[in-house]
Amino acid sequence: AQKVTQAQTEISVVEKEDVTLDCVYETRDTTYYLFWYKQPPSGELVFLIRRNSFDEQNEISGRYSWNFQKSTSSFNFTITASQVVDSAVYFCALSEIGASKIIFGSGTRLSIRP
Amino acid sequence: DVKVTQSSRYLVKRTGEKVFLECVQDMDHENMFWYRQDPGLGLRLIYFSYDVKMKEKGDIPEGYSVSREKKERFSLILESASTNQTSMYLCASSLGGSGYEQYFGPGTRLTVT
Repeated sequence: AQKVTQAQTEISVVEKEDVTLDCVYETRDTTYYLFWYKQPPSGELVFLIRRNSFDEQNEISGRYSWNFQKSTSSFNFTITASQVVDSAVYFCALSEIGASKIIFGSGTRLSIRP
Repeated sequence: DVKVTQSSRYLVKRTGEKVFLECVQDMDHENMFWYRQDPGLGLRLIYFSYDVKMKEKGDIPEGYSVSREKKERFSLILESASTNQTSMYLCASSLGGSGYEQYFGPGTRLTVT
């Protein structure tokens, strides 16, 4: 069965601190896809990144970086030098090959204090 | 840019009413989805559709039905609204099946009194 666990329900940090959001997944497939989405206070989920299971290279996009480790079934998300605009709920998600649907974690609410 | 729109941002209905939530996407996507979002539970899939007139049950279909008569439009129907259906409803679309990211609408916050 597939499952995504985001153990951190809420995180609060002061602006400019680095913060890592954890994501652990379970799947029996060898081919799958992992995603991160951001849900700002406005409510609309925004797609951030997709990785397939064959690509374990870390990804960096500006202040955002993602660490994918198959050995620990983790796909963690780090924000460097956090800003107030990063305040949002972040969801990690998993899609198995051949499945149209995406399984979402329960989300981590990130608050960045000025 | 992909645009997914939902008919209402906020909706208040009475118990027992029939409720229609409409979703429209403008990018010719094959797949469309309806989720509900509740605190601590993340997003739970209600129904999805992979083609016109085709639908599949998600994880929590009870009390809901859907309709997809045109490719761009996917409707969620609450046949007889109940208070436990008070929630945020999110519509999404994707170009294909597994591996494709989903694009979301702004959501409809439904309150059933």
